[in-house]
This record gives sequence, structure tokens and C-alpha cells, in this order.
Amino acid sequence: AQSVTQLGSHVSVSEGALVLLRCNYSSSVPPYLFWYVQYPNQGLQLLLKYTSAATLVKGINGFEAEFKKSETSFHLTKPSAHMSDAAEYFCAVTDSSNTGKLIFGQGTTLQVKP
Amino acid sequence: KAGVTQTPRYLIKTRGQQVTLSCSPISGHRSVSWYQQTPGQGLQFLFEYFSETQRNKGNFPGRFSGRQFSNSRSEMNVSTLELGDSALYLCASSSDPGTILNEQFFGPGTRLTVL
Repeated sequence: AQSVTQLGSHVSVSEGALVLLRCNYSSSVPPYLFWYVQYPNQGLQLLLKYTSAATLVKGINGFEAEFKKSETSFHLTKPSAHMSDAAEYFCAVTDSSNTGKLIFGQGTTLQVKP
Repeated sequence: KAGVTQTPRYLIKTRGQQVTLSCSPISGHRSVSWYQQTPGQGLQFLFEYFSETQRNKGNFPGRFSGRQFSNSRSEMNVSTLELGDSALYLCASSSDPGTILNEQFFGPGTRLTVL
């Protein structure tokens, strides 16, 4: 069965500091991996996705993530945090391209301090 | 292009009642998925519809049901509401579930409160 674990339900960084949000997955087949962001009172927005092409994936708003099969990880990073990055972030996995079903992690709330 | 629309945005019901939530996908999208979001359980997949057929179903009791119409609009129904059904219900649409390369676009959700 597939699963996703996000380490740290809350992460706090200073504005301008590195953002690192951790995600580890479990899948018996090569996975497809995603990062979504959710702002208060809004739906989810796709930041980036890994679909077995390049292992370093660049997304919107300066975010990127690296797929590491040996570590079963797909951590999200951003070199310099902005106040507008404060939101909840979700890592998700699916084992099939032929489905709209995603398995989500529990989410990480990112706080950005001035 | 208009985004995914969910109605109503907020809903208050009492235990034992039933509720119907509606989702209008982005024009041209034929796949609609539903998720339940709660603080305790997080985001959980309910079901997915494509061309009026249920393609996938999550691990929810039979009180949760859905359907999709020929215009791709989808509804989900919850009967005999329980307090634990209080949640944000999110709908997502995509143009073709045959390839995960197509992004799923999420609506703003319907906040259901069961009293």
C-alpha cells in the first residue's frame, strides 16, 4: 500500500531563510509524487510533480524538489522564504498515471517570521 | 477560464440529515475527484468519476455516494449525517485521468458542519 509521511507538522523559518519541508513515501511500484500548497480558505494548488523524468523538479514560486529513490524521499525546498509562502503544504503520491486518486501526507504548516 | 466551482461554500446540518454537495469542473474536464479534509484524518480520497462512471472509490461507508452527469458536473451525497462528517469537502477536476501529467485543479471546497 502506498503512503506518505511528512516530517514535522509545523515548520517556522525567518524571511529570507531556506525552506525545507520533508516528505518520505512508501510505494511498491515507481511512484508519481506531488507537492500541493493550501492557503487559508482555499483549495489546493499544485506546486510541482515528479513523473519519472528528471529527479530534480522545479515548480512555481521558486520551489523545487528532488526525488531520491534510495532514501524514498521527495523533500521540498526554496532558497529564500517570503512572507507570502506561509501556508500549509501537502505531499502526495499515486502509483498509477490512470487515476485521479492521490494519497496525501498529513501536511506541514509553514510559518514565515519577519 | 473559470476554475472549479463548488456549491454551497458553507453548510450547516444536524445529525441524521442528508446533504448534497455540487462540483462544476473546469470546462472541458471530464474527470472529477472528491476528497474529505479534516484536522484529524487529513485529506482522504472519497471517489473519482470519469465520463459518468465511478473509476475509484476510497474507504468510506456507503453513506457517502456520488454521481457525475453528462456535462461532467458531479454531486456527492452523504446520508444519515454524523458529527464526524464535519469537514471540508474538496473537489478536483482534470482533463484526462489517463495521464497523470495533466494537473488536477482543486475547488475552494464546501465546509460542512454537522451539529
